[in-house]
Parts: sequence; C-alpha cells; structure tokens
Amino acid sequence: AQRVTQPEKLLSVFKGAPVELKCNYSYSGSPELFWYVQYSRQRLQLLLRHISRESIKGFTADLNKGETSFHLKKPFAQEEDSAMYYCALGRGSTLGRLYFGRGTQLTVWP
Amino acid sequence: DTEVTQTPKHLVMGMTNKKSLKCEQHMGHRAMYWYKQKAKKPPELMFVYSYEKLSINESVPSRFSPECPNSSLLNLHLHALQPEDSALYLCASSLRLGDEQFFGPGTRLTVL
Repeated sequence: AQRVTQPEKLLSVFKGAPVELKCNYSYSGSPELFWYVQYSRQRLQLLLRHISRESIKGFTADLNKGETSFHLKKPFAQEEDSAMYYCALGRGSTLGRLYFGRGTQLTVWP
Repeated sequence: DTEVTQTPKHLVMGMTNKKSLKCEQHMGHRAMYWYKQKAKKPPELMFVYSYEKLSINESVPSRFSPECPNSSLLNLHLHALQPEDSALYLCASSLRLGDEQFFGPGTRLTVL
C-alpha cells in the first residue's frame, strides 16, 4: 500500500539556518513524489517534483530509493518560507490520487 | 487562464439545505478532482473525473454528489450534510490522470 510519512508536525528554525523537512514513502513500484506548499491564506501549490530535479525558491529534494526518502532541503531559510509543507506520492496510485503526508508546519523566526 | 477557480469562497448551510460548489479550469486539463481538507490535516481525495469518467473514493457518503457538465467544469452537489462535513473543499485539475495537480483556492464550508 502507498504511504507517506512526514515525521515532524512542526519545525522551527531561525532565518539563515539550514532547514530539512523529512519525507519517507512506502510504495513497491516506481514512485512519483511531489512537495506541495500552502502559505497562509493561499492555495495549495506545487513546489517541487522529483522528476524535474529543479531548485525552486532555493529548495531542493532528492529521491533516495534506497532509503525511500524525499527530503526537502534549503541551505538558508527565509521568513517567507514559513508555511505548511506536504509531501505527496502520485505515480501508480489508484484513481490518480495524491497520497499526502500529514504535513510539516515550518516557522522561520527572524 | 492558468488557474483553477472555485465558487463560492465561503458557504454556510443548514443540514436540510441543498447547495452546489463549482470548479472551473481552462487549461485543457482532462482530469479534475475534489478533495476535502479539515483544519491542519492533509487533503483527502473524494472524487476524480478523467475524460468525463467518474471514479469515487468509496468512503465518501452519498450526500456528496459530483457532476461534470463538460471537461472544464466540475460541480459538487451537497444535500443533507452533517456538521462534521464542515471543511475546506478543494478542487484540482491535471493534464492527465496522475500528473501534477493544480489546486483551486477552495470553498470554506460550514454546516450548521
């Protein structure tokens, strides 16, 4: 069965500090993984997908199939990064659904 | 137009009311989705329309009824809801089933 685990419900860092939001998945096939972000009072939006291998807003995420992880990283956090971050598993799932992790609320203090 | 739009933004209804939520996209996407999101929880899939074919999450009660008039529109008809149905209802679309999903801003529903 598909499953996404985000172990940290809350994460706080100071501005300029590195940040890593953890995501582990369980899926027997070839996964497609996404990070979605939800800023306060804004819509849920795609931040990264693993197949694009991009860096968006300074964030990167690498798929590690051996560790079944897709951690989101940024070397220097900014206050505007404060938001709810969801890791999601997409490929091969039934109904075309996204399986979301429970989310990590990131707060970046000034 | 590169956005998913939803109306209304807010809706308050009684348990005996019938109302509808609307979702629209003009990106040529062929898959559209309804999600329910409770406060501080991840979105949960309710329905998927792909090429006008409906797929249902079987845990969704029958008081929620989706309708897809055409490939750009997706409605969610509500009837005899319960207070526990109060939530943010999100619509999303993707080019094809399983592709990256684009979300609307949601409709904040309160059932009294």
